[in-house]
Amino acid sequence: EPEVTQTPSHQVTQMGQEVILRCVPISNHLYFYWYRQILGQKVEFLVSFYNNEISEKSEIFDDQFSVERPDGSNFTLKIRSTKLEDSAMYFCASSQWAERESYEQYFGPGTRLTVT
Amino acid sequence: GEDVEQSLFLSVREGDSSVINCTYTDSSSTYLYWYKQEPGAGLQLLTYIFSNMDMKQDQRLTVLLNKKDKHLSLRIADTQTGDSAIYFCAESTSSGGYNKLIFGAGTRLAVHP
Repeated sequence: EPEVTQTPSHQVTQMGQEVILRCVPISNHLYFYWYRQILGQKVEFLVSFYNNEISEKSEIFDDQFSVERPDGSNFTLKIRSTKLEDSAMYFCASSQWAERESYEQYFGPGTRLTVT
Repeated sequence: GEDVEQSLFLSVREGDSSVINCTYTDSSSTYLYWYKQEPGAGLQLLTYIFSNMDMKQDQRLTVLLNKKDKHLSLRIADTQTGDSAIYFCAESTSSGGYNKLIFGAGTRLAVHP
């Protein structure tokens, strides 16, 4: 069964460093998302992406964040200068546009980002 | 604004039914979802219900939707130890095909013998 994959599973970085989190969505999906879950808190929407541009972003997704689909398979989240409060589990998700089933978002296993 | 609330913990005996409840605030939500998260794993889509439905059944899972009260429930029949996980309720609204999910805090289901 097709699945969303994410790498790395765990990333440790120092405050102020740049990180890139990588995702490979399900191959025939057209919509891509990033969410994050700070330990003990709710899963929060960060950004949605379609047709090579951001379709919606939350207030969390400030200028330090960017997303890119550099080729036909990868979808990346970059944090330009990490802060301690960026430590969280980051989930990538994808969904397929279809007449009735378009809104099922399939999630990857997550990347745990630890900023020290 | 949009918000989803769930009770945080539920303990059931193996073989009993589990009922996990959720309330949401956005009356324009078109789809409501249940996701399962096992320790160390990602979010697994269990089932979803379209807002014009009252009930959806899928094997051991039954979803009930009360739109008037904005209340969603997930019933797991014959609960097994493998059902122990965190269950997240989520709502989405759609605008032009783009949607985001608003999650509850998750209900931790513990199944004991």
